[in-house]
Amino acid sequence: NAGVTQTPKFQVLKTGQSMTLQCAQDMNHNSMYWYRQDPGMGLRLIYYSASEGTTDKGEVPNGYNVSRLNKREFSLRLESAAPSQTSVYFCASRTGGGNTEAFFGQGTRLTVV
Amino acid sequence: GQSLEQPSEVTAVEGAIVQINCTYQTSGFYGLSWYQQHDGGAPTFLSYNGLDGLEETGRFSSFLSRSDSYGYLLLQELQMKDSASYFCAVNTGFQKLVFGTGTRLLVSP
Repeated sequence: NAGVTQTPKFQVLKTGQSMTLQCAQDMNHNSMYWYRQDPGMGLRLIYYSASEGTTDKGEVPNGYNVSRLNKREFSLRLESAAPSQTSVYFCASRTGGGNTEAFFGQGTRLTVV
Repeated sequence: GQSLEQPSEVTAVEGAIVQINCTYQTSGFYGLSWYQQHDGGAPTFLSYNGLDGLEETGRFSSFLSRSDSYGYLLLQELQMKDSASYFCAVNTGFQKLVFGTGTRLLVSP
């Protein structure tokens, strides 16, 4: 059982380049999330998808777009990368409802130069 | 906006008991949960409180007071492997899950 799989694990981008971070879960979860983690800032919610077909902004959505491709997959796109987007990105999923246990992917370490 | 405040760092010795506090101000509240993250790793779920009171899971316990917008994680019989960052998280409604700033726990021999 793979759980939550993120690709790639590492990426270096030049300022202005675009890229898509991929996330897939095999637990039949309804809700999926994208977070970024910076030193001293905790986990900040970028976008989330409460269920297939819906997406909503989180705390720091500027500069990002998302697509809930199907129930399994939730991608995060950076259209024009900036150095301020250098961070570790985590995808997570959970069943939703009252159970708040979220399962995380292993993260993508992104550097924008 | 949402605010979940935690101490930035806590230190303790092996075998001791430590409490990590979380004070929250959120637009909605549907439960408080706790996560552990070792350096270089992903966060993993520890516990959940939907109602006031204490929940116990082995050496870890978590407490919630909704009237005080406050909760804590209690770690007993500390071990070196408990050195990690700990995050509280709140389900603010419509499946939106927000996290605190995190507390780094350092356990020394």
